[in-house]
Amino acid sequence: KAGVTQTPRYLIKTRGQQVTLSCSPISGHRSVSWYQQTPGQGLQFLFEYFSETQRNKGNFPGRFSGRQFSNSRSEMNVSTLELGDSALYLCASSLAGGGQETQYFGPGTRLLVL
Amino acid sequence: AQSVTQPDIHITVSEGASLELRCNYSYGATPYLFWYVQSPGQGLQLLLKYFSGDTLVQGIKGFEAEFKRSQSSFNLRKPSVHWSDAAEYFCAVGVHPGGGGSQGNLIFGKGTKLSVKP
Repeated sequence: KAGVTQTPRYLIKTRGQQVTLSCSPISGHRSVSWYQQTPGQGLQFLFEYFSETQRNKGNFPGRFSGRQFSNSRSEMNVSTLELGDSALYLCASSLAGGGQETQYFGPGTRLLVL
Repeated sequence: AQSVTQPDIHITVSEGASLELRCNYSYGATPYLFWYVQSPGQGLQLLLKYFSGDTLVQGIKGFEAEFKRSQSSFNLRKPSVHWSDAAEYFCAVGVHPGGGGSQGNLIFGKGTKLSVKP
């Protein structure tokens, strides 16, 4: 079974631009979570989607948004990029979400904002 | 508040030596506990998990972890470290259904970076 895939793997953007990242979960998984990872803050939860609905949301500004499609694929968007948005963005999928399930992580998208 | 603490930011061990990475959690109920490993530039790979039952759990790559409720700990161990074990290790608590909120379903520690000396 194919794992979680994320595209693109690397991105370079400039301040003020916007960016869209994509995540394809493991087949059959309906929950997708997004995390931001930085050296200073570690892993921070962005949001979780289940059946096309946002179920949980982390403490990030409204510039960070996401959505999930009927095939469970998910995208996240960051508008008006800031230097501090440079990070590794990780996507994780699980069958139905919830802390009792194992989350499977993709390789991440490395975003550099100049 | 729910939290996970990994007291050691960086640990260096010699190849062949034993390893113990510490993890303490703060959670109001019996937790679901996970250890993940991350190689440079990669995503997180699950090493092992504890949900209930036997408090000593075995994982991949020869790792094991022991859940100690009285100490709120879930330390990761390996009897003999290999150079390929050099990576960053994350302990996480899975929150119970409905309890995700702004922290999500997995609460991570800050990680422990493991270096292995030849």
